[in-house]
Order: sequence, then structure tokens, then C-alpha cells
Amino acid sequence: EVQLVESGGGLVKPGGSLRLSCAASGFTFSNAWMSWVRQAPGKGLEWVGHIKSKTDGGTTEYAAPVKGRFTISRDDSKDTLHLQMNSLTSDDTAVYYCCRGYTGPLAYWGQGTLVTVSS
Amino acid sequence: DVVMTQSPLSLPVTLGQPASISCRSSQSLVFSDGYTYLNWFQQRPGQSPRRLIHKVSNRDSGVPDRFSGSGSGTDFTLKISRVEAEDVGVYYCMQGTHWPWTFGQGTKVEIK
Repeated sequence: EVQLVESGGGLVKPGGSLRLSCAASGFTFSNAWMSWVRQAPGKGLEWVGHIKSKTDGGTTEYAAPVKGRFTISRDDSKDTLHLQMNSLTSDDTAVYYCCRGYTGPLAYWGQGTLVTVSS
Repeated sequence: DVVMTQSPLSLPVTLGQPASISCRSSQSLVFSDGYTYLNWFQQRPGQSPRRLIHKVSNRDSGVPDRFSGSGSGTDFTLKISRVEAEDVGVYYCMQGTHWPWTFGQGTKVEIK
């Protein structure tokens, strides 16, 4: 069974940093293309970014609002995906979901972790 | 960026009746490999989103066959043949053809 478990969310001050993690199990993580999607309170879904498998180049793509501030990385030895978030603002307050691609994007989703940016 | 426009944004339906959601993209979603990466997601209240349909019309594992997707190019539709109580939630279309990937605004399905 595919499982994606996010962690690392919490309260952070504007301008601060936070690192989210996503522990994956139930599939061959190193072969998977992985993404982060966020959802601000009461709002719709927003794609944050994506990382390909290393065999497909390991490249990343980011949405414009987070480009230059957020970094997605993967540790295939630990089946873990990371999202490093810097220079956080209140607009980054959201539930962050880790997703796995399979026969297309965002086939599987974790339960999400809440990030709140507030002074 | 590709803009995804859903309609309606709110859809009150009667149990057992059909429902239909439209999704239009601002440019063609046909990728260079010939596939069209148009996906549909369901988000029930208090839950994580779940993918229902990938590449326009392919149901994901475990998705009831009352859900169907159709369309091509820039015009797509999600249909529920007979709405059940468990179908209440918000439905999103999403394109995975062009970077950045983009979602529609969401359509809230509720029971009349």
C-alpha cells in the first residue's frame, strides 16, 4: 500500500524558514516523480513544485510564487522527500501535501502538514 | 501559465441524478508525446484530495464507474451518472501538460 506521511509543519514567523519531510513507503521511491501541492485555509489547490526521479534527470520545477525561496530535494536512500522553505510570508500559510506521480501526476497524496506563518 | 476555468463553481444535485462539471483550458493540453494530461480530483470534506481520472478519461483504481471523463484539446467534462451521498465535496481539474501545472478553481458538489 502506498503511504506518504508528511511532517515538519508548524508555526513560523514571517521571514523564517521551515523544512518539510515526506516519508514514502509501499513503492519504489527512487523511480517516482514527486510533487508538493498546497492549500491555503478555505482555498483551492496550488501546485508548488516537482522533482523527477534521478534516472530521469532529477530535475525540479517550481511555481512562480515559490521559485527562489523553496527547494525540493530527495533522499532515495531514506525514501524521503523534502521541501525547504525560506523567506516565508503569510501567503505561504497552507496545508502542504506530498504527492507521488503514477501514470500521470499526483496519483497519491499524503494527509498533509499545516504550515502557519504568523508573528 | 495555463488557466483552467471550471463551471459551475457550485453544483447542488439530487441524489440519484446525474451531474456534470466543465473544465476549459486557455491552451491545448496535448503534450508532445500525444497524451493529454488532464486530471480530475475529488476532495471530500476534511480529507486529502484523491485523483479520480487521469489523461482525460482513465479512471484510477477503486474509482466507481459512475464517474467518467471526456473531452479533448481545451474542453473537458467530468460526469457523475448517478450522484450518491459520498460524492459530496469539491472537484478540481488540473493540467499536467505545461509547466507550471495548474488547477481549476474547484466545483463544490452538494446535495439538494
